[in-house]
Amino acid sequence: EVQLLESGGGLVQPGGSLRLPCVASGFSFSSYAMSWVRQAPGKGLEWVSSIIGGGGTTYYADSVKGRFTISRDNSRSTLFLQMSGLRAEDTAVYYCAKGMSGSWFECWGQGTLVTVSS
Amino acid sequence: ETVLTQSPATLSLSPGERATLSCRASQSISSYLAWYQQKPGQAPRLLIFDASNRATGIPARFSGSGSGTDFTLTISSLEPEDFAVYYCQQRSNWPLTFGGGTKVENK
Repeated sequence: EVQLLESGGGLVQPGGSLRLPCVASGFSFSSYAMSWVRQAPGKGLEWVSSIIGGGGTTYYADSVKGRFTISRDNSRSTLFLQMSGLRAEDTAVYYCAKGMSGSWFECWGQGTLVTVSS
Repeated sequence: ETVLTQSPATLSLSPGERATLSCRASQSISSYLAWYQQKPGQAPRLLIFDASNRATGIPARFSGSGSGTDFTLTISSLEPEDFAVYYCQQRSNWPLTFGGGTKVENK
């Protein structure tokens, strides 16, 4: 059974940093693209970033480019999202998702809430 | 950026009725469209990918159609567990984008 477990969320001040890990199990992690998708309270889904299997190719939404970094440790089956320069508008539940055919989100974690506020 | 516009925003129907949800793309995305279902407090679930292919374990009452710029998700006969928010998503080009969602509510 595929499982994705995010953690690392919490309250952070504007301008602060946070790193979100997502531990994967139940599939060959290194063979799949992985992504982060967020959802602001009461709002829709917003794609944030994706990383292709080997970790050499990454993609970012314009809203986070230059502030967020996606990475992966295939030896630990773990996906990361390093967030810096956080803004109030980054407040959201952050989901990690396993890719299918690269960019479909086949399986999702339960999400971790990031709140940016002073 | 490809903008996806979903309509209607809210669909009020009763169990057993047919639901028809629309997703329109601002440019042609071939068949690179997926549909997700999200219930309150839960993560989204993939229903349909490549416009018309059901994901693993998705009941046959869910079907998708369309290509180019106009897409439809049809639920042939609503079950009580189908009342939720539905999102479309494209992977034709970066950035990946989602529609704003359609809420299917129990009338």
